[in-house]
Amino acid sequence: DVKVTQSSRYLVKRTGEKVFLECVQDMDHENMFWYRQDPGLGLRLIYFSYDVKMKEKGDIPEGYSVSREKKERFSLILESASTNQTSMYLCASRTPGANVLTFGAGSRLTVL
Amino acid sequence: AQSVTQLDSQVPVFEEAPVELRCNYSSSVSVYLFWYVQYPNQGLQLLLKYLSGSTLVKGINGFEAEFNKSQTSFHLRKPSVHISDTAEYFCAVSNDYKLSFGAGTTVTVRA
Repeated sequence: DVKVTQSSRYLVKRTGEKVFLECVQDMDHENMFWYRQDPGLGLRLIYFSYDVKMKEKGDIPEGYSVSREKKERFSLILESASTNQTSMYLCASRTPGANVLTFGAGSRLTVL
Repeated sequence: AQSVTQLDSQVPVFEEAPVELRCNYSSSVSVYLFWYVQYPNQGLQLLLKYLSGSTLVKGINGFEAEFNKSQTSFHLRKPSVHISDTAEYFCAVSNDYKLSFGAGTTVTVRA
């Protein structure tokens, strides 16, 4: 089974800071995803990547960017954090052929 | 485009009682359907999935769901819940490699 690891479980940042959220998977999957989770809104797709250096915007990409320099690593970047980006961020990797996502444990970001 | 509606945001239930979580979806094409569970302070874990074939799908921990194409529903059921089933449950739909999630249903099991 694939293992998806998010490097930071809890972060506290100040408005305007640059924030990096890292995600690593260990099965050489091509497709990786970043979601944000907010109460009452479920999970909303920010960005996804279908291969190295390939990315596509999800439903709420504004204020975010991503980086995929190696297949195993997919990073989410907040160029200038704002308080409305306080949220839980979930990374996922897709098992080819099974159309199933495996999620990391999440990164809870608080922007003050 | 596709979307998911989970009809109940909170479901309180007593231990050993049955539970049903309702999910309706909209899509113009054939879809794949999923239920995920999130235990407190954890990521999401796949409970079960419908890709094709039998419309009654069995998953982990005694859960099952039934795909009803005419009603565009994929309701989740368990005949007897345990305290450990307290969690948030998400229904999701996909017709390609992107998943769209519902808002979630919080199940609280009381003794």
